[in-house]
Amino acid sequence: GAGVSQSPRYKVAKRGQDVALRCDPISGHVSLFWYQQALGQGPEFLTYFQNEAQLDKSGLPSDRFFAERPEGSVSTLKIQRTQQEDSAVYLCASSLGLAGTGGGQETQYFGPGTRLLVL
Amino acid sequence: GENVEQHPSTLSVQEGDSAVIKCTYSDSASNYFPWYKQELGKRPQLIIDIRSNVGEKKDQRIAVTLNKTAKHFSLHITETQPEDSAVYFCAGGGMDTGRRALTFGSGTRLQVQP
Repeated sequence: GAGVSQSPRYKVAKRGQDVALRCDPISGHVSLFWYQQALGQGPEFLTYFQNEAQLDKSGLPSDRFFAERPEGSVSTLKIQRTQQEDSAVYLCASSLGLAGTGGGQETQYFGPGTRLLVL
Repeated sequence: GENVEQHPSTLSVQEGDSAVIKCTYSDSASNYFPWYKQELGKRPQLIIDIRSNVGEKKDQRIAVTLNKTAKHFSLHITETQPEDSAVYFCAGGGMDTGRRALTFGSGTRLQVQP
C-alpha cells in the first residue's frame, strides 16, 4: 500500500515567513511522529501524536513550532516567523500501534521529508 | 533522557568484506533498537530491529546483537555489496522510557568499494 507521504518536498522561505508542512501517514496508523534532521545528523524528535492527541511535544525547539492532527490522520507542522536555524529536513513517521506494544506494531515508517531552506 | 552514541562516523570497506557499526545507549529503560538505512536524499528505511528480550537477530546478510547489561548494540553486515553504501542510523526507545519517540545516533557513512 501507499507509504507515508509529505508535502511540499522542498520549501524555500524568507526569514520571518510562516510555513506549513503536511504529513499523510499510512492509513490506520495510530502513532505519528515529527523529527527534524539537520545536515549530516540523525533525526531528532519534535513531537508525537496518538490518534488526535498530542502526547509529547518536548522536542519542539521553541513556541514558534506548532503541530496538529485534528482528525487523527493527516498532520501539519507549522513554523512561525522562520529563522535560518530552522533550515533542515523535517521527517514524519507513523506506526501502526502504540510505541512499546511490540509485535512489530511500533515499527516507524518514515516519509520522504520536507527540505526547508530559510534565507 | 536517552542518549545514543554511534561509531564510527565513516567506514570504508572492500566489496565482500564485513562491516560493523556500534552504538551505546544511556537509558536502561529503552527496550527497542531499530537500525535504519538512509540513502542520499531519501527517507530512512528500517533494515532490522531488536527488542531487549533478544540477544541477537539475523536477516540474511544483516545481523544485530544487543548487550543489555553493557547497554550497547551492534550492526553486522557480511559480504558487503556496493548497494550497501549509505548512511546507517541506530536508535533506541520504547514505552518503558516514558517517551515513545526514538533517539537516534549521529549516523555512520558506509562506503563499499567495488
